[in-house]
Amino acid sequence: ETGVTQSPTHLIKTRGQQVTLRCSSQSGHNTVSWYQQALGQGPQFIFQYYREEENGRGNFPPRFSGLQFPNYSSELNVNALELDDSALYLCASMILGRVETDTDTQYFGPGTRLTVL
Amino acid sequence: QQPVQSPQAVILREGEDAVINCSSSKALYSVHWYRQKHGEAPVFLMILLKGGEQKGHDKISASFNEKKQQSSLYLTASQLSYSGTYFCGTGANFGNEKLTFGTGTRLTIIP
Repeated sequence: ETGVTQSPTHLIKTRGQQVTLRCSSQSGHNTVSWYQQALGQGPQFIFQYYREEENGRGNFPPRFSGLQFPNYSSELNVNALELDDSALYLCASMILGRVETDTDTQYFGPGTRLTVL
Repeated sequence: QQPVQSPQAVILREGEDAVINCSSSKALYSVHWYRQKHGEAPVFLMILLKGGEQKGHDKISASFNEKKQQSSLYLTASQLSYSGTYFCGTGANFGNEKLTFGTGTRLTIIP
């Protein structure tokens, strides 16, 4: 149990639609990262939010956007869905800037399985 | 660039030992090891930082060779619960934990 929750668990959308995925971070964690994990692959970094500002982005197009709120929740929005967007979407929370101890890492939520038809 | 893990897959009998390797083409600050079971989120195992070469707990340990930009995860006397896919996540900068995950190693433990 990591203290990170995500909703919904599963989602089915059709090509061209828009989707919003939600994440609730561990209390006190000022940073949330979003990852996309295709079947059989490792998680790929989408972007990171620190204190409600985007703090880095991976190789994903602008139709992937996010928000982070003061209450440790965050959203991932994807517009104009494509078939290749089908994947498990993971959020991970952490305290940015502190990587000194055995537990200063990212803690993942259970993920949202998105299927685009 | 994505770290390369080896082997890609391994099958062991309960009680046997396993070594999983993670190799990066970039200089590393940290290596994070996770285990993921099918349909579940990655679960954190341990982190190794630049300057810290080896650590472990219980029957799982890991090493980090900065010069070679490599890390290895050691599982001794494996248990059925060790089955899953193991990922290394590499961090390039202090405090900048935008992890780049490896290709994964699928470990299957049989009775």
